Amino acid sequence: QQQVKQSPQSLIVQKGGISIINCAYENTAFDYFPWYQQFPGKGPALLIAIRPDVSEKKEGRFTISFNKSAKQFSLHIMDSQPGDSATYFCAASNVMGGTYKYIFGTGTRLKVLA
Amino acid sequence: NAGVTQTPKFRILKIGQSMTLQCTQDMNHNYMYWYRQDPGMGLKLIYYSVGAGITDKGEVPNGYNVSRSTTEDFPLRLELAAPSQTSVYFCASSSWDGRVFIQYFGAGTRLSVL
Repeated sequence: QQQVKQSPQSLIVQKGGISIINCAYENTAFDYFPWYQQFPGKGPALLIAIRPDVSEKKEGRFTISFNKSAKQFSLHIMDSQPGDSATYFCAASNVMGGTYKYIFGTGTRLKVLA
Repeated sequence: NAGVTQTPKFRILKIGQSMTLQCTQDMNHNYMYWYRQDPGMGLKLIYYSVGAGITDKGEVPNGYNVSRSTTEDFPLRLELAAPSQTSVYFCASSSWDGRVFIQYFGAGTRLSVL
């Protein structure tokens, strides 16, 4: 119940294309769903996050779509650029012990071809 | 404002040796975390702290110890290093205004146990 399943493992997209990464969770108590971006040799950095009271959140070229009934959420990167090439992690969490404790997906390595 | 700083960046240990991974943050965050990241896997929570003097176990605490004597510092101690502890270790701290929760990660420590 604590797993977050992420797919695909790797993704190659042409410049200007749409990158889509999917995640699924089991625990209905999760109420916070962030996406993190990680470049080689760096720590992950928060990209965008959503709560289950909305079905979509958009920030620039990045959109999270959330389907509460299916227990799935996805990241869409519009007009993908070579600079978006990185590993993307989804996560799910709820407040426990006074803080959010993330359960991370296994990551998607995105490569955007110039 | 340096954010979250981890030292060392790289370390090679022999089996049975011990070491301390250092982590310090200058954002006055109460919440701090230690994760490990294995190849092709998401981050797994080792330990976390909700404030000075308070620590608790995460998903994978065995073989590790932590302490939190100040708000700024959250060192991770490896006793009797084993090859299974070969990984990249990330420290993080978080801020939460009741709606937006952000974890800020350090650049990581790459540890090999041979």
